[in-house]
Amino acid sequence: AQSVAQPEDQVNVAEGNPLTVKCTYSVSGNPYLFWYVQYPNRGLQFLLKYITGDNLVKGSYGFEAEFNKSQTSFHLKKPSALVSDSALYFCAVRDTFGGGGNKLTFGTGTQLKVEL
Amino acid sequence: GAVVSQHPSWVICKSGTSVKIECRSLDFQATTMFWYRQFPKQSLMLMATSNEGSKATYEQGVEKDKFLINHASLTLSTLTVTSAHPEDSSFYICSASVTGTMGRTGELFFGEGSRLTVL
Repeated sequence: AQSVAQPEDQVNVAEGNPLTVKCTYSVSGNPYLFWYVQYPNRGLQFLLKYITGDNLVKGSYGFEAEFNKSQTSFHLKKPSALVSDSALYFCAVRDTFGGGGNKLTFGTGTQLKVEL
Repeated sequence: GAVVSQHPSWVICKSGTSVKIECRSLDFQATTMFWYRQFPKQSLMLMATSNEGSKATYEQGVEKDKFLINHASLTLSTLTVTSAHPEDSSFYICSASVTGTMGRTGELFFGEGSRLTVL
C-alpha cells in the first residue's frame, strides 16, 4: 500500500524568506511523486513531479523539490516566498509496484500562508 | 499542459433531486478519469475510477447507487448525485490521466471542481 504524510497542517513564512513544505511517503516499489497546489474553490494545479533522474526537481512558479530516498521524503521548497504563493499544497505518490493504474494517494495538505 | 473542464462550477439544489456533473478532457483522450470529494480543509478522497466503456470502480464506502458514474467517451465522464441530501454537499473534483504521446508517468490533470450545496 502507498501512503503520504504531510506533518504540518499550516506553514507560515514571511515574504522573501525561503519556504519548505514537508512530505514523506511510503511505497512498495519505486515512487512517482507529485506536488499540487490548490487555491480556494479551485481544482488542483500541477507543480512538479519526480519520476527518475536528478533528485532535485524544478517546477512551476519557482518551486522545486528534492527527492531523498533514504529519508523517503520529497519536500517542496522555494528560495523566496511571495504572498501569492499562499494556498493549500498537496503531496501525492504513485507506487510503480503492483499495478493499480494511475491512482494517486494524496497527503492531507499543508496550508501555506505568506505574510508581508 | 492538458486541460480538464468541469461543469457546473457551482450548483444548488433541493433535497431529493439529482445533480449531474460533467468532466471533459479538452485536448487529449482520457481512458481513465478519477472522481474525488473534498470536505472543507481536508484532503481529497478518491470516490471512484471511471473507465471508458466499462463500469466504474468505486472505493470502499462509496455508494454506487448514490454516485452514478458514466464514462461514455474518451473525453467525457459524468458523476450524478442521485436523490441528493444536505450531507452530500461538498466539493467534487475530477481528474484525468494523460497517456500515450503525452506521457505515461501517471500525472493527473484536474478540473476546477464543482461546489454542490443541497438545501
